[in-house]
Amino acid sequence: EDKVVQSPLSLVVHEGDTVTLNCSYEVTNFRSLLWYKQEKKAPTFLFMLTSSGIEKKSGRLSSILDKKELFSILNITATQTGDSAVYLCAVFYSGNTGKLIFGQGTTLQVKP
Amino acid sequence: NAGVMQNPRHLVRRRGQEARLRCSPMKGHSHVYWYRQLPEEGLKFMVYLQKENIIDESGMPKERFSAEFPKEGPSILRIQQVVRGDSAAYFCASSPEIPVDTGELFFGEGSRLTVL
Repeated sequence: EDKVVQSPLSLVVHEGDTVTLNCSYEVTNFRSLLWYKQEKKAPTFLFMLTSSGIEKKSGRLSSILDKKELFSILNITATQTGDSAVYLCAVFYSGNTGKLIFGQGTTLQVKP
Repeated sequence: NAGVMQNPRHLVRRRGQEARLRCSPMKGHSHVYWYRQLPEEGLKFMVYLQKENIIDESGMPKERFSAEFPKEGPSILRIQQVVRGDSAAYFCASSPEIPVDTGELFFGEGSRLTVL
């Protein structure tokens, strides 16, 4: 069965800490992997990763994909309270339907 | 340019009633997706529609659930004879084309259904 698994499920850190969120997948016909941030409303797009070993970076956030080991990580450096959210990992698969399979999400809480 | 608009944002129904959730995609988007998020779980794909066509409904429950995306007007997710287990957040997303290569999939803020 196709699945996406995220770890940890929840994380509490203090401002300034660096965090690493993990996403592993077992998906037939993998196309790409996406990261979203969800703050009690619409998930907002962070990154899309298609190729192994190429880091995507946006400010304090960065992400990389390993297609051999079937996982991705999302790093957040110098965390701020505004980074508190649920981070969702999702994979496009199964042809061209545009259907995403999501992980359970990692709930990050950043304390002042 | 308005984003994906969903309404109602919150809906309360009693068991056995019908729930209708609406989604207006972003302007220029012809692909619509519905996802369901149960408490403490990730989003689960339900259905993928293009104008007047259901392309993939592999995530839809076999009974009581239906979806449409008419030529004119919003996409509608309809749940008949709701049960408590239908309580969830229902998210709609839209894209201008199949987003596998672009990642351009935009989500609405969700409709939260509570079944009493």
